Amino acid sequence: ETGVTQTPRHLVMGMTNKKSLKCEQHLGHNAMYWYKQSAKKPLELMFVYSLEERVENNSVPSRFSPECPNSSHLFLHLHTLQPEDSALYLCASSHLGATDTQYFGPGTRLTVL
Amino acid sequence: DQQVKQNSPSLSVQEGRISILNCDYTNSMFDYFLWYKKYPAEGPTFLISISSIKDKNEDGRFTVFLNKSAKHLSLHIVPSQPGDSAVYFCAASQTGNQFYFGTGTSLTVIP
Repeated sequence: ETGVTQTPRHLVMGMTNKKSLKCEQHLGHNAMYWYKQSAKKPLELMFVYSLEERVENNSVPSRFSPECPNSSHLFLHLHTLQPEDSALYLCASSHLGATDTQYFGPGTRLTVL
Repeated sequence: DQQVKQNSPSLSVQEGRISILNCDYTNSMFDYFLWYKKYPAEGPTFLISISSIKDKNEDGRFTVFLNKSAKHLSLHIVPSQPGDSAVYFCAASQTGNQFYFGTGTSLTVIP
C-alpha cells in the first residue's frame, strides 16, 4: 500500500466509549500530523510529531490523546468525547520540517452520539 | 481569528473556461503557500505551491499568483475540465511554523 492510510474510515461512538484512530504512512516521512476538519471551518492542526516526538499541541482537549510509536504510525486515542467533536479527522505526513508539503490520508469521519 | 480566508464557498464554471479561486491572508510573515484539491471521501492532495520570492508559479493547466502587497493568492485553472470539480483549499505558513488552511472553495465545472 502506498501513501497515507487511515482506519477506520467511519466511526460512530457514544460519549462514554474509548476508541482509537490509526494512521500509517508509506512515504518515508519523518513528521506526522493530526488535523480536525469541522463543517465550514478550516482545517485545524491538532498535533505534530517530528521524529516521533510531539512538537505541537495547539491546546487540544485531553480527551484526545496522540501516540506515535514510530515514524510510520500515528494514533489518536479518543475517550469521553462530546458531540461537538464530530468531524473529519485527517492524518498527514511530510519530510522533516513543518513547512514541507504535507500528504494527507483519506480521513476518518467521526460521529459522537 | 482566521489567518487564511477563502471568501467564496463555491464557484461554477463552464468546461473549457478559466476557473479563478481566491485566497486572502492576514499574516505578512507567511512566505510559503500551497493549494490542495479534495474529492469527496478522499484526503486533500497537493496541487501546487509558491514561495514568497516568486509572484507566479505554473504547472500545466494550473497557475498560482501571489500578490504580497495585497496579501492575496489566486489559483487559475485553464481550461477547466469536469474532473477539476472538487473542493480547493489554500494554505499558508511562515518558514518553520505550521500551515494555516482556508475553509475551501467548492468548484463545479459544468460540461
